[in-house]
Amino acid sequence: GQNIDQPTEMTATEGAIVQINCTYQTSGFNGLFWYQQHAGEAPTFLSYNVLDGLEEKGRFSSFLSRSKGYSYLLLKELQMKDSASYLCAVRDNTDKLIFGTGTRLQVFP
Amino acid sequence: GAVVSQHPSRVICKSGTSVKIECRSLDFQATTMFWYRQFPKQSLMLMATSNEGSKATYEQGVEKDKFLINHASLTLSTLTVTSAHPEDSSFYICSARPSSTNYGYTFGSGTRLTVV
Repeated sequence: GQNIDQPTEMTATEGAIVQINCTYQTSGFNGLFWYQQHAGEAPTFLSYNVLDGLEEKGRFSSFLSRSKGYSYLLLKELQMKDSASYLCAVRDNTDKLIFGTGTRLQVFP
Repeated sequence: GAVVSQHPSRVICKSGTSVKIECRSLDFQATTMFWYRQFPKQSLMLMATSNEGSKATYEQGVEKDKFLINHASLTLSTLTVTSAHPEDSSFYICSARPSSTNYGYTFGSGTRLTVV
């Protein structure tokens, strides 16, 4: 089966750093994605990792370890607008994008 | 950039009726599209993969006779929820990946279905 797990909820303070973890067990692996989603809207692409290591893009960074089936999304200098759901998704070997359980992040002033 | 247009954005229907949701790729051809369902405070659940010119592939537990998928052209896929019931009320989102990019999945804006 496909299992992609994330913490359900997280809270953090404005200006702080938060790390959202994702562990996966899937039938094949062709890349891992992170998306941001606000309620009632479509997901917005944040990052993509296919090789091990860290990908940095502004305030957002994503890390991947394929041998451990593990990724994290790092958000720096948190802003109130970062309050949203963050979805980890794995592209399997049939090109399907399978989403994790999702993490709701609440940023407080 | 690649755009996927999804309509309607919101629909309310009576129990027992059918509802059709359209997903169009506006500036690229999509031989494959994906349909997801999302319940409140939950993540996206893949329902089926829509294949142009052939039958859709449904995920385990998804009733293919209830959720009819048609992908008759390279730019249009439709999802019809037949004999809708209140438990079908959900957020439905389609997605496609342009062949010009190795990883960029594009999502429609979603359809909020409420069955009363």
